[in-house]
Amino acid sequence: AQSVTQLGSHVSVSEGALVLLRCNYSSSVPPYLFWYVQYPNQGLQLLLKYTTGATLVKGINGFEAEFKKSETSFHLTKPSAHMSDAAEYFCAVTAGGDSSYKLIFGSGTRLLVRP
Amino acid sequence: EAEVAQSPRYKITEKSQAVAFWCDPISGHATLYWYRQILGQGPELLVQFQDESVVDDSQLPKDRFSAERLKGVDSTLKIQPAELGDSAMYLCASSLERYSYNEQFFGPGTRLTVL
Repeated sequence: AQSVTQLGSHVSVSEGALVLLRCNYSSSVPPYLFWYVQYPNQGLQLLLKYTTGATLVKGINGFEAEFKKSETSFHLTKPSAHMSDAAEYFCAVTAGGDSSYKLIFGSGTRLLVRP
Repeated sequence: EAEVAQSPRYKITEKSQAVAFWCDPISGHATLYWYRQILGQGPELLVQFQDESVVDDSQLPKDRFSAERLKGVDSTLKIQPAELGDSAMYLCASSLERYSYNEQFFGPGTRLTVL
């Protein structure tokens, strides 16, 4: 079975500081990994995804993530936080190996950006 | 830009009443998903459709929840009777096909409050 663990339910950074949101996964098959962002009372928007190939993945809004198989991690980073980055972020893995390819989400990390 | 539509955006109901949510996926998307997101948690898949057929409903509480996608386009999720624990955000998503590398596009969700 697949699972995702996001360390830290809340992360607070100053505007302009590095953003690091942690995600570790468990999967019995090669995983596909995703980061989604959710603004208040809205649906989820895909930030980036890893399927195969290059392990450093670049996404929208200046975010990137690196797939590290040896560490079973897929941490999300952004060099310089902006006030508009304040939102909830979800890491997800596909339940590969069965027929539904459903997304398994972590519990989320709320990013707070201080002026 | 094409979007997933959901209605209503907010629903307040009393326990034991029936409620229904509607979703219109992006045109041409064969796969449709219903997720439940409890406050402070990540979304959890309730049911997945491929065209009009159910692919995965393993997490759907079938004693009270039902879902249909009769013509393989829009979909309805129903709860009868609603319970206090059903208070959550119900998210609909669609993807072009059901394979894991296809991005899932999410609607804005329906926030259900059961009193």
